[in-house]
Amino acid sequence: RKEVEQDPGPFNVPEGATVAFNCTYSNSASQSFFWYRQDCRKEPKLLMSVYSSGNEDGRFTAQLNRASQYISLLIRDSKLSDSATYLCVVNWAGYGKLTFGQGTILTVHP
Amino acid sequence: DARVTQTPRHKVTEMGQEVTMRCQPILGHNTVFWYRQTMMQGLELLAYFRNRAPLDDSGMPKDRFSAEMPDATLATLKIQPSEPRDSAVYFCASGFRRLGQSSYNSPLHFGNGTRLTVT
Repeated sequence: RKEVEQDPGPFNVPEGATVAFNCTYSNSASQSFFWYRQDCRKEPKLLMSVYSSGNEDGRFTAQLNRASQYISLLIRDSKLSDSATYLCVVNWAGYGKLTFGQGTILTVHP
Repeated sequence: DARVTQTPRHKVTEMGQEVTMRCQPILGHNTVFWYRQTMMQGLELLAYFRNRAPLDDSGMPKDRFSAEMPDATLATLKIQPSEPRDSAVYFCASGFRRLGQSSYNSPLHFGNGTRLTVT
């Protein structure tokens, strides 16, 4: 089983749609969680950290469920510019190793 | 804006040749990661340094890959001899993590990557 698993995707949604991505992690000692975004042929960039109480940044909402070892990302009112690969990232406590999921491809069409 | 700098951006080489990739982390960052990205495997961690000391290189094929940090401003990843299956994008990333803390105090910053093709 992979340490971090994501929805396989790809997701193709119209502008204005709401879309949600899921991610599960296997190591219960994991402490920090992030969502990164990667545009085609570019480097990954931090989209947002994920906090235990859940957090929101504009149209983006991240949730963490430690009991189920599950992270989610919700994008509301999708824009064409949201088209990218979204990577779930987990930091194993006390070690600092950041493990990336395979990524979920999102395409927002007009 | 501070950036992680990787060189070269592209490298095409023949099987059996040595390949050296370089990375200049952001000044003040104390952790450096090397990742390899392919369509099939996604982003795989190859090596991880903190304060220039290697902490984990378990993801790296030891017989042909080596990673070093000769000083705080330079990290290198070498492949010798290279093979066609090494073709991938190699990313270097740096961050800052205080000793004893489990999370990162700054986002992990990635370089533009080195796109390696081994023929």
